[in-house]
Amino acid sequence: TQLLEQSPQFLSIQEGENLTVYCNSSSVFSSLQWYRQEPGEGPVLLVTVVTGGEVKKLKRLTFQFGDARKDSSLHITAAQPGDTGLYLCAGARSSNTGKLIFGQGTTLQVKP
Amino acid sequence: DTAVSQTPKYLVTQMGNDKSIKCEQNLGHDTMYWYKQDSKKFLKIMFSYNNKELIINETVPNRFSPKSPDKAHLNLHINSLELGDSAVYFCASSPLDRANEKLFFGSGTQLSVL
Repeated sequence: TQLLEQSPQFLSIQEGENLTVYCNSSSVFSSLQWYRQEPGEGPVLLVTVVTGGEVKKLKRLTFQFGDARKDSSLHITAAQPGDTGLYLCAGARSSNTGKLIFGQGTTLQVKP
Repeated sequence: DTAVSQTPKYLVTQMGNDKSIKCEQNLGHDTMYWYKQDSKKFLKIMFSYNNKELIINETVPNRFSPKSPDKAHLNLHINSLELGDSAVYFCASSPLDRANEKLFFGSGTQLSVL
């Protein structure tokens, strides 16, 4: 059973397009993180969202945590080839542990 | 300087062998982790240590034995390797054993069991 479902699993778009990646669960999380992973490397943290309804922006990336803290989205505006990679959401069920539950990832390819 | 370094980067071995992966972090973090990423890119926690003490053991077969000689090192020893152990193993660290902490990952060890 997958606790965190990411969609879509694969996305191939042209440079300049917008896209949204979703991370959904039936469980409540105390916080949620988004990571990006490039081939041959480990995941790198992009953002942490903690409060229900919270919106964070990182240049062209906008992250939102659902009001009920069960879901999150990542929106990229005007995607660039450098955005290509594997995007992973990861949730913490409790604030007292560093244990993270990862989604299965969204592979994004941005073509020039 | 690499923050979290793990060796080797690639490991190819025969079924039944015993192998070790080493991990070191120079960030002064208290907590270290081992994660396994399968062929579908699904990342799952295996172990976490906080100040050399085992905190999380996610029902990993006891062929896998982590060892933390000090809080900057967390090694993973695997006995009697099986085909299903083939995966990429990531070491990670965080300042504390708490949610919201940023995880710093190593670049992974790709294990292939033949």
